[in-house]
Amino acid sequence: DGGITQSPKYLFRKEGQNVTLSCEQNLNHDAMYWYRQDPGQGLRLIYYSQIVNDFQKGDIAEGYSVSREKKESFPLTVTSAQKNPTAFYLCASSIEAGGLSTDTQYFGPGTRLTVL
Amino acid sequence: GQNIDQPTEMTATEGAIVQINCTYQTSGFNGLFWYQQHAGEAPTFLSYNVLDGLEEKGRFSSFLSRSKGYSYLLLKELQMKDSASYLCAAPRGGYNKLIFGAGTRLAVHP
Repeated sequence: DGGITQSPKYLFRKEGQNVTLSCEQNLNHDAMYWYRQDPGQGLRLIYYSQIVNDFQKGDIAEGYSVSREKKESFPLTVTSAQKNPTAFYLCASSIEAGGLSTDTQYFGPGTRLTVL
Repeated sequence: GQNIDQPTEMTATEGAIVQINCTYQTSGFNGLFWYQQHAGEAPTFLSYNVLDGLEEKGRFSSFLSRSKGYSYLLLKELQMKDSASYLCAAPRGGYNKLIFGAGTRLAVHP
């Protein structure tokens, strides 16, 4: 079955600790994205990657880091520098079809991070 | 600036029709997406409109007017399982970066 997986589904972290959220896709998509979702707000882009070994900051990258060593994987690290990390984190991917249309993004099931 | 507005909440009755509106301001418009998101779950893709007009997919239809910066999602024959948030999203200038509205939470009642 093709799809996007995220693990874990729920994650608890103590203040001051770094934590890494996993995102894997077997859709052969080139592009991958990380979003954060808070109650009453739209999804906000943290980081995105168009191709292996390359990634760009989104709108709220401070306190986060990513890597893209493999096409299938785009892990997100929430560092202790992130002031308010409790949120629902969503990973997405899209094919790089090129052309004038925007490629549809498909989402993983999400990880709910709670800082204690 | 770039902005997407949609109502926060709506309620409707099972079997009825509901229209969820979305207005947007983005640079370099390149289509508009609708996603459905059940509580605690991932958004799932519903539709993508890039040309003006209505596109129908079963019980769901999506409309776009580029000149008015306006879209709506039309849900017919509402079912209880349609209770969810509906997210409107549009690409902003440049690459496939989307800006999302805050979502419209739809509650369907018997």
